[in-house]
Amino acid sequence: AQSVAQPEDQVNVAEGNPLTVKCTYSVSGNPYLFWYVQYPNRGLQFLLKYITGDNLVKGSYGFEAEFNKSQTSFHLKKPSALVSDSALYFCAVRDGATDSWGKFQFGAGTQVVVTP
Amino acid sequence: GAVVSQHPSWVICKSGTSVKIECRSLDFQATTMFWYRQFPKQSLMLMATSNEGSKATYEQGVEKDKFLINHASLTLSTLTVTSAHPEDSSFYICSARPILADTQYFGPGTRLTVL
Repeated sequence: AQSVAQPEDQVNVAEGNPLTVKCTYSVSGNPYLFWYVQYPNRGLQFLLKYITGDNLVKGSYGFEAEFNKSQTSFHLKKPSALVSDSALYFCAVRDGATDSWGKFQFGAGTQVVVTP
Repeated sequence: GAVVSQHPSWVICKSGTSVKIECRSLDFQATTMFWYRQFPKQSLMLMATSNEGSKATYEQGVEKDKFLINHASLTLSTLTVTSAHPEDSSFYICSARPILADTQYFGPGTRLTVL
């Protein structure tokens, strides 16, 4: 079984400051990890993923995430937040070893609020 | 690239009627599509996984006779909410996984309101 935890319901940050959204996971096999962003009444937009390779993954809109196997974490980061980054962020995990269909387990989501 | 569309974007219907939602991958082929339901300010709940040319696999607690899924081609999956009731009102989102890819790409969602 796989699970994802996003411990913060909401993250508040001032524009220009660093932004971090936390995610920890649990899978029995190989973790495939993803970050998505959702704006109100819209679907999810893909930001980045970790499958294998370098632990630091760079994605869209200046976001990056670091895979930490020992801490089973995949935190999303952005060096300088913009007001337009205000949205709902979802972390997702897939078990790459056992799930051939590619089903995701999503975290509960973290609302990011960036103030001017 | 990797664009997924949904139609309609919103629908209002009377209780007891059926509603069909289409999900299309516009610039890629998808052997697997997924249907999710999302309540306000909550995460996505996977309803079913559909594979082209075969029956959908439903998650525990999802009524297959209530939520009919058809995946007739590599670019189209449909979800039909049969005999809709107010408790079926929700935001329905589909996603599609390109052949041999790891990532799911999501449609913009369909807001269903049952009166």
